[in-house]
Amino acid sequence: QSALTQPASVSGSPGQSITISCTGTSSDVGSYNLVSWYQQHPGKAPKLMIYEVNTRPSGVSSRFSGSKSGNTASLTISGLQAEDEADYYCCSYAGSSTSSYVFGTGTKVTVL
Amino acid sequence: QVQLVQSGAEVKKPGASVKVSCKASGYTFIAYYMHWVRQAPGQGLEWMGWINPNSGGTNYAQKFQGRVTMTRDTSISTAYMELSRLRSDDTAVYYCARDRATAMDKGDLDYWGQGTLVTVSS
Repeated sequence: QSALTQPASVSGSPGQSITISCTGTSSDVGSYNLVSWYQQHPGKAPKLMIYEVNTRPSGVSSRFSGSKSGNTASLTISGLQAEDEADYYCCSYAGSSTSSYVFGTGTKVTVL
Repeated sequence: QVQLVQSGAEVKKPGASVKVSCKASGYTFIAYYMHWVRQAPGQGLEWMGWINPNSGGTNYAQKFQGRVTMTRDTSISTAYMELSRLRSDDTAVYYCARDRATAMDKGDLDYWGQGTLVTVSS
């Protein structure tokens, strides 16, 4: 099971909106609504930001939203803030293949 | 509050085994699956598998089959991940993470341990 494909980096100015894509296949992202997104600051454990494609856990800002179309999931951050600068990873259920879950390659978000 | 506290850093020689612990508190341990995820230095996240703390059932990524063993001790609300026949490319931070769903796995990892650095070096 190959890692899901994410852009290596995305940047934006404060207040802008950015979108991170997460491309998989019909065996993972395309087949299940079990896509989650994680934010990771340097030296810290990941934090769940979105689960089941578009649901925000309690306490996560409404500036974060998720969606999916076909084999590609997306995370949008609106009203970009300095504290949003971090690495972001998507993750999808992949059924009973070589790995039940597969993470994305990761995207570094830079706030200009 | 939910907390996952992992054991400390380890240095191992190639070919050896390592066992990392993850002590849970603040919730009913047996009600939530526990996943293990690792991250090599400067690299991305990699899913290793999960354990159902209630039944002890496990599901491992094929890559780790035969080398990884996930267990639990319900009396002390602790999950363990043991990796054997260590190689240099097993050097990574190993995380335990709780699945948000009750009594099933959905891969929504809502609480994470602080991570345990395992260094494999001769």
